[in-house]
Amino acid sequence: DIQMTQSPSTLSASVGDRVTITCRASQSISSWLAWYQQKPGKAPKLLIYKASSLESGVPSRFSGSGSGTEFTLTISSLQPDDFATYYCQQYNSYLVTFGQGTKVEIK
Amino acid sequence: QVQLVQSGAEVKKPGASVKVSCKASGYTFTGYYMHWVRQAPGQGLEWMGWINPNSGGTNYAQKFQGWVTMTRDTSISTAYMELSRLRSDDTAVYYCARDSGGVRGMDVWGQGTTVTVSS
Repeated sequence: DIQMTQSPSTLSASVGDRVTITCRASQSISSWLAWYQQKPGKAPKLLIYKASSLESGVPSRFSGSGSGTEFTLTISSLQPDDFATYYCQQYNSYLVTFGQGTKVEIK
Repeated sequence: QVQLVQSGAEVKKPGASVKVSCKASGYTFTGYYMHWVRQAPGQGLEWMGWINPNSGGTNYAQKFQGWVTMTRDTSISTAYMELSRLRSDDTAVYYCARDSGGVRGMDVWGQGTTVTVSS
């Protein structure tokens, strides 16, 4: 199975900060990577797909990059609504895997 | 609008089975695979498997093989996930999520069903 490793596990930041989360795959997944945002008590929400494509309705301050085994999610200017947990997910194979999550906290 | 509505919370005893439903509306049910994902309290997302509502074909994560069964009823646009031989560590929120078609990941999610396993 393909393993997905996110870093950091927790990130403390302030409103307006630029934030970067990294996701590494145990083998190449081309660009078959998605990013999700989850708030407490809610279902995950798709933000980015195919590594760098922005889902409709998602603010442009979110961006994704990478291919192969290294990927990043960047929030260009952190807003109060962005404090949440973020997950990467690979869908390169018929077996899907999620990263362990990165919690973005208020500094 | 496109939505997935899941069945209500369940409380089960260890060793029992649970069956969670996920009713789709606003799109062609048989046109999109359906995933099941669970989340234990305070933990991350764990993918369980998917079902192809058109053919009924399934693909389960290795951890859940022999233990989970995913089915569907196309006449009522509903997918089901049944987990047997429940243990306390199966206590979790269970989500269904539509696969966008292999390109965009999981684009629509159900609201989640809380399953509590307790003696």
